[in-house]
Amino acid sequence: NAGVMQNPRHLVRRRGQEARLRCSPMKGHSHVYWYRQLPEEGLKFMVYLQKENIIDESGMPKERFSAEFPKEGPSILRIQQVVRGDSAAYFCASSPEVGNTEAFFGQGTRLTVV
Amino acid sequence: AQSVTQPDIHITVSEGASLELRCNYSYGATPYLFWYVQSPGQGLQLLLKYFSGDTLVQGIKGFEAEFKRSQSSFNLRKPSVHWSDAAEYFCAVLFFGNEKLTFGTGTRLTIIP
Repeated sequence: NAGVMQNPRHLVRRRGQEARLRCSPMKGHSHVYWYRQLPEEGLKFMVYLQKENIIDESGMPKERFSAEFPKEGPSILRIQQVVRGDSAAYFCASSPEVGNTEAFFGQGTRLTVV
Repeated sequence: AQSVTQPDIHITVSEGASLELRCNYSYGATPYLFWYVQSPGQGLQLLLKYFSGDTLVQGIKGFEAEFKRSQSSFNLRKPSVHWSDAAEYFCAVLFFGNEKLTFGTGTRLTIIP
């Protein structure tokens, strides 16, 4: 049973480009969470999704960031018109049920904006 | 406001020595409590968690943590550290009615021979 898969592991984008980060949850998991880790900081919650629904996006920046978790396929975190301040590690976690008490994390995508 | 505090940014311990990493939370009730470890360039691995019951929790890799309600603390301990324990350790809490983990800022552990 594969764990939470994130790709790419490393992503370099120029300022103004778009970044797409993918997360495939563990088999049987229908809840996905995205977190951002800025350098020298802890993880900050961004968004919580279930299949085809955004449940809580209170941690998402108001502009340029969006997330989806379609019926088929991975969850996508999309950052439009990236800026240097978006450089961070983005982690996805998945859980099988409400409560996030058994969340498993992927290895993260490290985004560098140049 | 709900928050998690890890007061030690960086700790250095000799191999074979004991370890205690501190974690305090601010909340009106007892949340779910977790400790995660992150090796350089890697994701997070769950070491242990506390939901209820026995306040001393055993985890993987020889770690344990003790929940103390009176101190709102959930400190992580290990009796004898190994060089492979060098990593970043994060305390996290899940507050009731909330689906998102709140993380502390982490403690970086360095092991010296």
